[in-house]
Amino acid sequence: DTEVTQTPKHLVMGMTNKKSLKCEQHMGHRAMYWYKQKAKKPPELMFVYSYEKLSINESVPSRFSPECPNSSLLNLHLHALQPEDSALYLCASSQDRGGYNEQFFGPGTRLTVL
Amino acid sequence: TQLLEQSPQFLSIQEGENLTVYCNSSSVFSSLQWYRQEPGEGPVLLVTVVTGGEVKKLKRLTFQFGDARKDSSLHITAAQPGDTGLYLCAASLRGDKLIFGTGTRLQVFP
Repeated sequence: DTEVTQTPKHLVMGMTNKKSLKCEQHMGHRAMYWYKQKAKKPPELMFVYSYEKLSINESVPSRFSPECPNSSLLNLHLHALQPEDSALYLCASSQDRGGYNEQFFGPGTRLTVL
Repeated sequence: TQLLEQSPQFLSIQEGENLTVYCNSSSVFSSLQWYRQEPGEGPVLLVTVVTGGEVKKLKRLTFQFGDARKDSSLHITAAQPGDTGLYLCAASLRGDKLIFGTGTRLQVFP
């Protein structure tokens, strides 16, 4: 299995809602990532988990809360989001290969905040 | 400060034409990757180049890593509509952090 899956594919939420994005990989990768991508821009790193521990937080607002329940799963909990948080949210995973970082991405969740 | 600059930003060509996309930096990287992303989908890894001067081929796509490992190029021969997408170079900065280039949006018309 060489796939990273993400659910849901699309999500529309109000600014007072609480929702969660889910990501799963079964490649045995030790690192998992959340990225945010705005239209016509490259992905921007949000969080990195390595061996189920948060290793990088790119100064992301607390209304985004990541969680890594186990080595295969990664969640992103959303609360009190703003319309400018509307974007494509991408999950990725990677395994060290001779010191370089090849990341495999899921299809993304298209989030719209009303 | 953007560490990885890609050029051109946009490219619109006819089917059958050749094209080259460039990824440039003032930093030296141990490796560099190229991804292609289609609208509404996640980036797909195309190739990783590791050695300075390395050339890798993937069907009609040729990837080259600069001798000094600061730049890379992607050449597509006889482009097809299926090549349409956003091309991103990326390099590892520190540990698990991957830095993406500014992106090149390619449109190939039949």
